[in-house]
Amino acid sequence: GQSLEQPSEVTAVEGAIVQINCTYQTSGFYGLSWYQQHDGGAPTFLSYNALDGLEETGRFSSFLSRSDSYGYLLLQELQMKDSASYFCARGPEGNEKLTFGTGTRLTIIP
Amino acid sequence: DTGVSQNPRHKITKRGQNVTFRCDPISEHNRLYWYRQTLGQGPEFLTYFQNEAQLEKSRLLSDRFSAERPKGSFSTLEIQRTEQGDSAMYLCASTTSPYEQYFGPGTRLTVT
Repeated sequence: GQSLEQPSEVTAVEGAIVQINCTYQTSGFYGLSWYQQHDGGAPTFLSYNALDGLEETGRFSSFLSRSDSYGYLLLQELQMKDSASYFCARGPEGNEKLTFGTGTRLTIIP
Repeated sequence: DTGVSQNPRHKITKRGQNVTFRCDPISEHNRLYWYRQTLGQGPEFLTYFQNEAQLEKSRLLSDRFSAERPKGSFSTLEIQRTEQGDSAMYLCASTTSPYEQYFGPGTRLTVT
């Protein structure tokens, strides 16, 4: 199977830190990407992990543990503009396609 | 604008009609993907091109769907004999690196 599981909704306070988890089935796993999508907008690339460990890009970090079939996206110093849907995606598979999770809708409150 | 563009942005059609969407990728990108997204779901892979070659087509893509990328530049996605279940956002993405894809704004299709 290729499915990925994420929480459907998360709420966090402006200025705080939030972690969005993603678990996946290991068959044929290659790497984990994260995308952000605002309502009515296009998905935009945030981060990619092919190896275990933490990747940091400004306020956003992404972590992968292959042994646990698990990854997360960490958002720090939350801003109101971070309210969006966040998708983890596995791949690229051998055929170079990405398989997206169902997404986590993040709501930032003052 | 050097991003991925898609036309039209919105399309309303009656069931049974044919529709065609266009995607213009970022010029130096050799890989082009089509996805479908419905409300509350992640993008769902439809098909993928490397240059002009269509290398992968989802099992979800019935024979009513066809895509082309002549000369490895822009791409078109055609849906024949549209059904209400085809109503969705159709997204195009391009890239040189498969895990970091650049998405266009999408074409929202409504089949009445």
